[in-house]
Amino acid sequence: EAGVAQSPRYKIIEKRQSVAFWCNPISGHATLYWYQQILGQGPKLLIQFQNNGVVDDSQLPKDRFSAERLKGVDSTLKIQPAKLEDSAVYLCASSPNPGELFFGEGSRLTVL
Amino acid sequence: TQLLEQSPQFLSIQEGENLTVYCNSSSVFSSLQWYRQEPGEGPVLLVTVVTGGEVKKLKRLTFQFGDARKDSSLHITAAQPGDTGLYLCAGEGTGANNLFFGTGTRLTVIP
Repeated sequence: EAGVAQSPRYKIIEKRQSVAFWCNPISGHATLYWYQQILGQGPKLLIQFQNNGVVDDSQLPKDRFSAERLKGVDSTLKIQPAKLEDSAVYLCASSPNPGELFFGEGSRLTVL
Repeated sequence: TQLLEQSPQFLSIQEGENLTVYCNSSSVFSSLQWYRQEPGEGPVLLVTVVTGGEVKKLKRLTFQFGDARKDSSLHITAAQPGDTGLYLCAGEGTGANNLFFGTGTRLTVIP
């Protein structure tokens, strides 16, 4: 069974530029999550989708971050404009059942 | 936000030694999970504990959920170099099905 696919794996941008990350969840998983993991810390939930609807985006910095899951499958996470403190690994996870998360390898962002 | 504190933050031990990692919170969780994350990879689920006082074993790893469902521990017996990684606990809060991750314990097992 294919796992959660994320791209790109690495991205380096300058501050104030924009960046987008893509996630393809495991087939059939209705729930999709985006987490931000800053070096040395545990992952922090940014947004949770159930099919194409948002369940929780309370910790998403909406002035610069946006995410969508238009057809209830793939998802994109965008940052515009990026700040230095956005440097982190962005993890996508999908879930067939509540609490059972399968993570992708992550997209590592460096903002210079 | 429900905070989960893990201790120790870093742990370096010799192969064959035993160790315990702790995960503590002032909040009650409906369930608690432990993940292991290796460099360049996403976290991988090891176990889920649901009932207060529950103990689960996974080969040389023993997981316990506190009676009050606010804390948990992970004990590794006879650690191996393959156990090296970042161990994360994550609590599932009531309401929405999302997880609050702990601060992590980075374990290094020296051959």
